[in-house]
Amino acid sequence: ETGVTQSPTHLIKTRGQQVTLRCSSQSGHNTVSWYQQALGQGPQFIFQYYREEENGRGNFPPRFSGLQFPNYSSELNVNALELDDSALYLCASSLDTGLGNTIYFGEGSWLTVV
Amino acid sequence: GENVEQHPSTLSVQEGDSAVIKCTYSDSASNYFPWYKQELGKRPQLIIDIRSNVGEKKDQRIAVTLNKTAKHFSLHITETQPEDSAVYFCAASWSGGSYIPTFGRGTSLIVHP
Repeated sequence: ETGVTQSPTHLIKTRGQQVTLRCSSQSGHNTVSWYQQALGQGPQFIFQYYREEENGRGNFPPRFSGLQFPNYSSELNVNALELDDSALYLCASSLDTGLGNTIYFGEGSWLTVV
Repeated sequence: GENVEQHPSTLSVQEGDSAVIKCTYSDSASNYFPWYKQELGKRPQLIIDIRSNVGEKKDQRIAVTLNKTAKHFSLHITETQPEDSAVYFCAASWSGGSYIPTFGRGTSLIVHP
């Protein structure tokens, strides 16, 4: 086990609603990243947080937003849900050593938008 | 930004055979290349990684090779077993990009008993 925990594991939302997904990073890790994985695809980078600041963002619209807390846990918020937002949302934590960050994924949150 | 191409998309082998998955990357600044295995319904798990100062790395039945000049790297699995059946993802990242990995689209490996 990686020590990265996510909640909830599964949820169903209606189009137009908002959702918050949560992640607790592995002990000692100061960087959290969020990925969206659609069926049959590789993980797509959403954004990364380092010491509570956004440290990089992928090609996702502003309705995808996030937070990192002082204990390095994190939230992913998605507003105005669309059907295409249905996917596995993966949180990954890492330690920024400047030597190549190995990221460790949580089990993911399966989001279905109907 | 970085672009990672991965081939093949599906690979079917007999138990005991070898399997090779190949990836190419576009950004010559990339210097860290992890490989992840994802079983059905589960999270991706790191199985091996290689940095650009090394040409090859081996861990039991798994090995990864890197050719920086050609900008490609490969995963080699020998003596495949049914439990090796999964989707494998390669990724590339670099320090200037905060080591945010760009993933390939994945290879579905099927090992037939």
